[in-house]
Amino acid sequence: NAGVTQTPKFRVLKTGQSMTLLCAQDMNHEYMYWYRQDPGMGLRLIHYSVGEGTTAKGEVPDGYNVSRLKKQNFLLGLESAAPSQTSVYFCASSYISGNEQFFGPGTRLTVL
Amino acid sequence: GENVEQHPSTLSVQEGDSAVIKCTYSDSASNYFPWYKQELGKRPQLIIDIRSNVGEKKDQRIAVTLNKTAKHFSLHITETQPEDSAVYFCAAPGVNFNKFYFGSGTKLNVKP
Repeated sequence: NAGVTQTPKFRVLKTGQSMTLLCAQDMNHEYMYWYRQDPGMGLRLIHYSVGEGTTAKGEVPDGYNVSRLKKQNFLLGLESAAPSQTSVYFCASSYISGNEQFFGPGTRLTVL
Repeated sequence: GENVEQHPSTLSVQEGDSAVIKCTYSDSASNYFPWYKQELGKRPQLIIDIRSNVGEKKDQRIAVTLNKTAKHFSLHITETQPEDSAVYFCAAPGVNFNKFYFGSGTKLNVKP
């Protein structure tokens, strides 16, 4: 099993550009999450999904959109990138709530 | 939402010594408390977790204690080794248990 994978691993954007980050899991997990990690601030939840076709806002959702059209995939979109969105983005999944989260390898995004 | 505070932000110990990291949380309904280890450039990985029906859990050199009355839980690492050097994060669930709030992290440095 590949576990949780993320595409791409690195990306550099210019302000105003758009992009989509892809997260895929092969563990048949219901729950999926998108976090951003900034120095000294830990992991902050952007959006999450409790099942196929559902999404909900986390702590820092502004400037991001998500979709969960298939159970195994969770997409994170930036419509108009800003320098404040420079960060490392982690996707995670879990079988049920209140259980271990399995993280992907991360995507390092730089917005110039 | 849940407020998770983690201390200290950095911790330096001599190899063989013990290390203790403490987290406090605000939501008294929280019932699951994981600890994650993140090595430099890697993804966070679960190292130990505890549920609210027990006060302590051990796994070889690591242990977690929970004090529900005081709303704090701690990670204890005994006989530290250089490979324990990493950033450690605690987490606690939000009100609906669908999302987690992470502490800001503790950078542990084990000096040989």
